[in-house]
Amino acid sequence: SQKIEQNSEALNIQEGKTATLTCNYTNYSPAYLQWYRQDPGRGPVFLLLIRENEKEKRKERLKVTFDTTLKQSLFHITASQPADSATYLCALVRGTGNQFYFGTGTSLTVIP
Amino acid sequence: DAGVTQSPTHLIKTRGQQVTLRCSPKSGHDTVSWYQQALGQGPQFIFQYYEEEERQRGNFPDRFSGHQFPNYSSELNVNALLLGDSALYLCASRLWAAMGNEQFFGPGTRLTVL
Repeated sequence: SQKIEQNSEALNIQEGKTATLTCNYTNYSPAYLQWYRQDPGRGPVFLLLIRENEKEKRKERLKVTFDTTLKQSLFHITASQPADSATYLCALVRGTGNQFYFGTGTSLTVIP
Repeated sequence: DAGVTQSPTHLIKTRGQQVTLRCSPKSGHDTVSWYQQALGQGPQFIFQYYEEEERQRGNFPDRFSGHQFPNYSSELNVNALLLGDSALYLCASRLWAAMGNEQFFGPGTRLTVL
């Protein structure tokens, strides 16, 4: 089955710095890879999607890269703010689009 | 535009009991998926419903069953509850035709099994 690993340790960074989160997967390559944000006690909220034939995607202060050779996605938050503190989840979507596999998430804390 | 709603918010049950959780998808969505999220873990896929049929199922026992109604709302049923079933149960909706596109999640139902 698909195994997805995210930063095992929580990430603490200073406000204004760039946060970089990793998502590594095994087995088959997904057709899509998505990143979600989850706040405590809330459901995940979609942030960005990147397709297997795309290398990079940007949205405001967010950037996602996708390397199917390394089987890795990187998620960057530039000019980080305390409000960015949350758990970030990556999700792989198979070609059929029917099943989403989530990683364990990385807890990010931005220190003022 | 109402997003995904779930009920109840919290639920406490004892081992061996049965529970039903409910979900209403975002307006315009026809596909509903259910996830179990244990503390400190990512959501684990339980199953997905489209056109009132279970289309995909994750690695969960038959104690977990579901249903989708003609109005696209859905129920998750869990029988013979175990302590390990304690978790946040999330419902997510999307458009079947928009494969790979974002899912919209509800706030979840926190189930505690004593």
